[in-house]
Amino acid sequence: EAGVTQFPSHSVIEKGQTVTLRCDPISGHDNLYWYRRVMGKEIKFLLHFVKESKQDESGMPNNRFLAERTGGTYSTLKVQPAELEDSGVYFCASRGLASSDEQFFGPGTRLTVL
Amino acid sequence: RKEVEQDPGPFNVPEGATVAFNCTYSNSASQSFFWYRQDCRKEPKLLMSVYSSGNEDGRFTAQLNRASQYISLLIRDSKLSDSATYLCVVSPYNQGGKLIFGQGTELSVKP
Repeated sequence: EAGVTQFPSHSVIEKGQTVTLRCDPISGHDNLYWYRRVMGKEIKFLLHFVKESKQDESGMPNNRFLAERTGGTYSTLKVQPAELEDSGVYFCASRGLASSDEQFFGPGTRLTVL
Repeated sequence: RKEVEQDPGPFNVPEGATVAFNCTYSNSASQSFFWYRQDCRKEPKLLMSVYSSGNEDGRFTAQLNRASQYISLLIRDSKLSDSATYLCVVSPYNQGGKLIFGQGTELSVKP
């Protein structure tokens, strides 16, 4: 069974540009999460989808970040316009329906904003 | 104050050593507790869940003390392959399973 996949693996952009990150969860997983690790800090929660609905977006830093999950399958996270402090590793995770199910993480997208 | 606090290390130990990591969490409404392992430039992977009764998986033993809001991980007979960052993770009650991470404790096992 394929795991969580993320694209791209790396992205280098200039301040002010737009970047869109994609996450494909494990097939059948209704729960999808985005997390971010900024250098030197802990991994932090950004938001949580159940199917196509945003359940919790309390971790989103500001309105430059927009996450979508149309159709309840893959998700995108767009940063527009990117700022220097957005640099970090963005992880996506998915989980099955039961609250006791494990969250499986994707390999992450390493974003560098210059 | 961070929600989950860990000693960042690094812990440098010889092969075969026993090493213990500790972690404290601030939210008494935390429901679930985990240790994740993260190798350099890789994603976090679940090592084990942590239960109040304590639980063991081979060379790994995890313990939870809810009264003290304290979680521990003991690794016996360390192997070179145990070198990684160990993340203490909690999940608050009724918040959809979101995970709160500690900063991680780096372990380096030397020959």
